[in-house]
Amino acid sequence: ILNVEQSPQSLHVQEGDSTNFTCSFPSSNFYALHWYRWETAKSPEALFVMTLNGDEKKKGRISATLNTKEGYSYLYIKGSQPEDSATYLCAPNDYKLSFGAGTTVTVRA
Amino acid sequence: SAVISQKPSRDICQRGTSLTIQCQVDSQVTMMFWYRQQPGQSLTLIATANQGSEATYESGFVIDKFPISRPNLTFSTLTVSNMSPEDSSIYLCSAQHSVNQPQHFGDGTRLSIL
Repeated sequence: ILNVEQSPQSLHVQEGDSTNFTCSFPSSNFYALHWYRWETAKSPEALFVMTLNGDEKKKGRISATLNTKEGYSYLYIKGSQPEDSATYLCAPNDYKLSFGAGTTVTVRA
Repeated sequence: SAVISQKPSRDICQRGTSLTIQCQVDSQVTMMFWYRQQPGQSLTLIATANQGSEATYESGFVIDKFPISRPNLTFSTLTVSNMSPEDSSIYLCSAQHSVNQPQHFGDGTRLSIL
């Protein structure tokens, strides 16, 4: 299992504001980086799978960037809405996923 | 994409008993996994379920405690054996076609041991 760090552990955002948070992972032997969104009482939902250095992916108001050389990824939420409240997990994937502890986002109306 | 059906969704069990959790995928998948989420923690991989051979367990998990079956490419079971209160967790299965594809998760089994 790879050592994965996500920061901050939690954050509170005012509705309409934008935010971002970080995932750090070992840069050696990189295959892919996954991002998941996990709402309470639901199963994790896949957001992005990123493989290329410099890759940027977007899904609605959520986007992510990837730097495989230095081993980090950012996830951005633009114009946060209450329904964005969830825990966001990143996981590098060699032959299995190694999940970080997640960043829990709470959007206040 | 794959749809995962996991059951039971929850159970309350007595100490010392065993429970088998089932995971059914609506299509053939290369890889299936079993995770545990203990209260207040993130997902921890228990094992990779290998079709036709013994599962690959992560550090801290052993076959005697968490026997896993995977008889074909669409189905797997996880048994939690000789349960104790420390086994109270949410257990999730997932399926994945390749490392460049997302994992799809079941809804989880919420297990409480008295």
